[in-house]
Amino acid sequence: DIQMTQSPSSLSASVGDRVTITCRASQGISNYLAWFQQIPGKAPKSLIYAASSLHSGVPSRFSGSASGTEFTLTISGLQPEDFATYYCQQYTSYPITFGQGTRLEIK
Amino acid sequence: EVQLVESGGGLVQPGGSLTLSCAASGFTFSSYVMSWVRQAPGEGLEWVSSVSSGGGSTYYADSVKGRFTISRDDSKNTLFLQMNSLRAEDTAVYYCAKDLVRNYGSNVVDYWGQGTLVTVSS
Repeated sequence: DIQMTQSPSSLSASVGDRVTITCRASQGISNYLAWFQQIPGKAPKSLIYAASSLHSGVPSRFSGSASGTEFTLTISGLQPEDFATYYCQQYTSYPITFGQGTRLEIK
Repeated sequence: EVQLVESGGGLVQPGGSLTLSCAASGFTFSSYVMSWVRQAPGEGLEWVSSVSSGGGSTYYADSVKGRFTISRDDSKNTLFLQMNSLRAEDTAVYYCAKDLVRNYGSNVVDYWGQGTLVTVSS
């Protein structure tokens, strides 16, 4: 199975900050990488697929990039509603696997 | 508007069975790969199973293979997850998820249901 490792596990930031979350795959997955946002008690929300393509309706302050087996999610200009847990996911092959999550908290 | 509404969760004893349903609307259900993803209390997301459009191909996580069965009824726009031989570690919120791409699918999830809680305990 392909292992997905996110870092950091948690981070604190302020409204208006720029933050970056990293996800590393244990082997090559091309660009078959997605990002999700989850607010406590709510269902996940799809943000990004194919490493850098935004789903419809996702604000442009969210962006994704890839370099080899390392992927990043960047949020530019944090808004209060962005404080949540973020998960990466590889979907190049079954079993589909997720990272362990990164909790973004308000400083 | 795409809507996915799960039902069927509840409390079940270890070794018991339960069937989850996901009622879909707002899109051509039969044309899309559908999946189940679960989340144990306080834990991360875990992919459980997927079924192709048409239902001819199914895929399972090793943790549920041989115990869970995914199926779909395209005439009723409904996805199912039959869960047998349930264990305490199956306790989780189960989410229904829709694929982004019609027909052949992409394994990209674009919409999620609100989830249904399954608790396995004596």
